[in-house]
Amino acid sequence: DIVMTQSPLSLPVIPGEPASISCRSSQSLLHSNRYNYLSWYLQKPGQSPHLLIYLGSHRASGVPDRFTGSGSGTDFTLHINRVEAEDVGVYYCMQPLQTPYTFGQGTKLEFK
Amino acid sequence: EVQLVESGGGVVRPGGSLRLSCAASGFTFDDYDMSWVRQAPGKGLEWVSNINWNGATIDYADSVKGRFTISRDNAKNSLYLQMSSLRGEDTALYHCVRDLGDEGAVWGKGTTVTVSS
Repeated sequence: DIVMTQSPLSLPVIPGEPASISCRSSQSLLHSNRYNYLSWYLQKPGQSPHLLIYLGSHRASGVPDRFTGSGSGTDFTLHINRVEAEDVGVYYCMQPLQTPYTFGQGTKLEFK
Repeated sequence: EVQLVESGGGVVRPGGSLRLSCAASGFTFDDYDMSWVRQAPGKGLEWVSNINWNGATIDYADSVKGRFTISRDNAKNSLYLQMSSLRGEDTALYHCVRDLGDEGAVWGKGTTVTVSS
């Protein structure tokens, strides 16, 4: 199974400041089609997760451009340009490359 | 509007069975692969099972293999999860998910399963 490891697990931030979350996979997520099979989800308090980024760096429909996904192979980063109040919640990376699909442990972003 | 509405959760004794359903609307159901993902209370996300658009390809997490069965009825725009031999560790909120990990990913609100004596 591919193990997904996120850091940090807790991320206190100041509104308006940038923030980054790291996600590492135990195997490369780079497919032969040159896409990285890595997604980022945000679960806001009391809500279901929703998609932010797919294929490593593609922003999902309706996602603000302050969210950027980067990385390749086994190392990925989600960067938030300027954190806003609505960004609070738990962020998960996930690999849909091969079953069993696996998630990172989650990173809780909250305001200082 | 794309909607996924799960139902069928409840309280069941260890060893019991439940059948979860997911009613899809607002999109062409048989254009998409579907998944079940669960979240134990206060915990992270765990993928449970996948079914491709026509039901020909199915996968399960090892933790549920042999106990859970995923299926779909494209004529009824519905996804199902038959769960048997339930254990305490199956207690979770079960989400129906369209196109997990891909551009069209959409999650339902979930249905709660509690396994307790």
